[in-house]
Amino acid sequence: EDQVTQSPEALRLQEGESSSLNCSYTVSGLRGLFWYRQDPGKGPEFLFTLYSAGEEKEKERLKATLTKKESFLHITAPKPEDSATYLCAACPNAGGTSYGKLTFGQGTILTVHP
Amino acid sequence: GAVVSQHPSRVICKSGTSVKIECRSLDFQATTMFWYRQFPKKSLMLMATSNEGSKATYEQGVEKDKFLINHASLTLSTLTVTSAHPEDSSFYICSATSVTGVPYPEQYFGPGTRLTVT
Repeated sequence: EDQVTQSPEALRLQEGESSSLNCSYTVSGLRGLFWYRQDPGKGPEFLFTLYSAGEEKEKERLKATLTKKESFLHITAPKPEDSATYLCAACPNAGGTSYGKLTFGQGTILTVHP
Repeated sequence: GAVVSQHPSRVICKSGTSVKIECRSLDFQATTMFWYRQFPKKSLMLMATSNEGSKATYEQGVEKDKFLINHASLTLSTLTVTSAHPEDSSFYICSATSVTGVPYPEQYFGPGTRLTVT
């Protein structure tokens, strides 16, 4: 069964204190690994897609990396506006009714204090 | 690009009535749309997958007669909660993807609909 596990569940940082969020995945062949940001009461906002081990992508203070078993979301010098829930999701290389389906982790709630 | 809208953003209805939620892809043709439900402080739970022009595929445990899904065009899918009860109160989110037009299988999410059944 496909599984995605995120850690930690919650992370509190001081402004400027860099850190990383972890996403471990077990899927039957990985088509893509996704990172989303979700603010309270809103839908998830797309951040990154990673397709193969060794791939890295950056956007402002965020950098996502991928290995064969994990993905990391590195946050460099975070600001209070980076506070949100960060969701990781894996899309397996499956066909039929599972085509394109995402398996989500439970999320990491990030709070950045000024 | 890749914008998905939902309407309404909030709805309050009485127990026993039906509610329809619309999900639209505004700048691309969505061959597949997904409907999720999210409980407070929990992750997204996939309810069903709908492909344009065909019947939706429901996840195990989701009542297809209660949650009616229609994907009549490449830009619109609807979720109707029939005979709603208080336990159906939740945050419903749709997402859209396409085998063409957006990097597949990236999913783009709508802003969500908060349903409250009294």
